Amino acid sequence: EVQLVESGGGLVQPGGSLRLSCAASGFTFSSYSMNWVRQAPGKGLEWVSCISSSRSTIYYADSVKGRFTISRDNAKNSLYLQMNSLRAEDTAVYYCARAYQLLSWFDPWGQGTLVTVSS
Amino acid sequence: DIQMTQSPSSLSASVGDRVTITCRASQGISNSLAWYQQKPGKAPKLLLYAASRLESGVPSRLSGSGSETDYTLTISSLQPEDFATYYCQQYYSTPITFGQGTRLEIK
Repeated sequence: EVQLVESGGGLVQPGGSLRLSCAASGFTFSSYSMNWVRQAPGKGLEWVSCISSSRSTIYYADSVKGRFTISRDNAKNSLYLQMNSLRAEDTAVYYCARAYQLLSWFDPWGQGTLVTVSS
Repeated sequence: DIQMTQSPSSLSASVGDRVTITCRASQGISNSLAWYQQKPGKAPKLLLYAASRLESGVPSRLSGSGSETDYTLTISSLQPEDFATYYCQQYYSTPITFGQGTRLEIK
């Protein structure tokens, strides 16, 4: 069964840092692009970042560029999101999602991990 | 950035009704469009991709159509499990963008 499991969310103060992880199983992780998508409480979906299967290509939303860093470890079947200089507006459920290629639909999605930025 | 505008933002309907949700892109996206269903507290689920291709396991009462800037998701006969929020997504170019969502409620 294809599965994505996020972890690392929690409560952090404004200006703080957090590292999210996404553990993949049930498929050849190194063959797929991966994405992070977030959803603020009661709001819609916002794409955050994507990384190609070989790590050669990375894109970010303008709202996180310069503060967030996406990475992956294909040997560990894991995707990461390092989040620095966090702001209240970064509060959201963060989902990892698999993509067939860099510009593609997302399937499946993980269950999400909640990040709350508050003092 | 490509803006995705969904309409309506909410919709009340009854079991058995036929409903259509529209998604308009601010520029042509060459059928690079997906539809997702999200239920409260759950992750989004892929329904269709490439505008009209049904994901495996998704009921055939759902269908998608459109081209260039205008796309639709149609549910031919609503079932109780269809009441949820629906999002369109363009993957034609980065930043990948989503519509604001359409909440489908029971009348």
